Amino acid sequence: AQSVTQLDSQVPVFEEAPVELRCNYSSSVSVYLFWYVQYPNQGLQLLLKYLSGSTLVESINGFEAEFNKSQTSFHLRKPSVHISDTAEYFCAVSSYNQGGKLIFGQGTELSVKP
Amino acid sequence: DTEVTQTPKHLVMGMTNKKSLKCEQHMGHRAMYWYKQKAKKPPELMFVYSYEKLSINESVPSRFSPECPNSSLLNLHLHALQPEDSALYLCASTSGRGRSNYGYTFGSGTRLTVV
Repeated sequence: AQSVTQLDSQVPVFEEAPVELRCNYSSSVSVYLFWYVQYPNQGLQLLLKYLSGSTLVESINGFEAEFNKSQTSFHLRKPSVHISDTAEYFCAVSSYNQGGKLIFGQGTELSVKP
Repeated sequence: DTEVTQTPKHLVMGMTNKKSLKCEQHMGHRAMYWYKQKAKKPPELMFVYSYEKLSINESVPSRFSPECPNSSLLNLHLHALQPEDSALYLCASTSGRGRSNYGYTFGSGTRLTVV
């Protein structure tokens, strides 16, 4: 069975500071990895995904994540956060034998303060 | 069109009511999903439809009844719900084949309150 662990439930940071949201997974097969962002009272938006190829993936708004197979991690980073990045972030995993089913972590609440 | 549209956005219903949630996409996706999300929790999978056929039912109580009338439309019929069923109900879709099957597009959800 697959599982996802997001190590921090809440991450408070000041504006323009760097941030890392941690995600570890467990799986016996090859995985596909995702980060989703959920702003208050909204649905989920795909931030970035790793399916294959380069282990470093980037989003259009400055976030990046690196797939580390040996450490079974997919941490999300941003060098300088903005107030508008305040949201809930979910790491998720899927694999070819899951029929497209996504397994979500518990979420990390990123709170950016001025 | 790259969106999944859910209606209504908000719904308040009594425990004896019958209501339906609607989800629509026009991206040609052939897999559609219903998720339930409680406050401060991750989404939990309820149902998966693949090529208009129910492929996964995550042991959801029968008071929730999904329906996929065609490849663009997914409904969730609600009957005799309990207050603990109050949550954000999210619909999602994927292409249904190959690696693009892992590119979920989520709708903005229906916030359901059962009174």
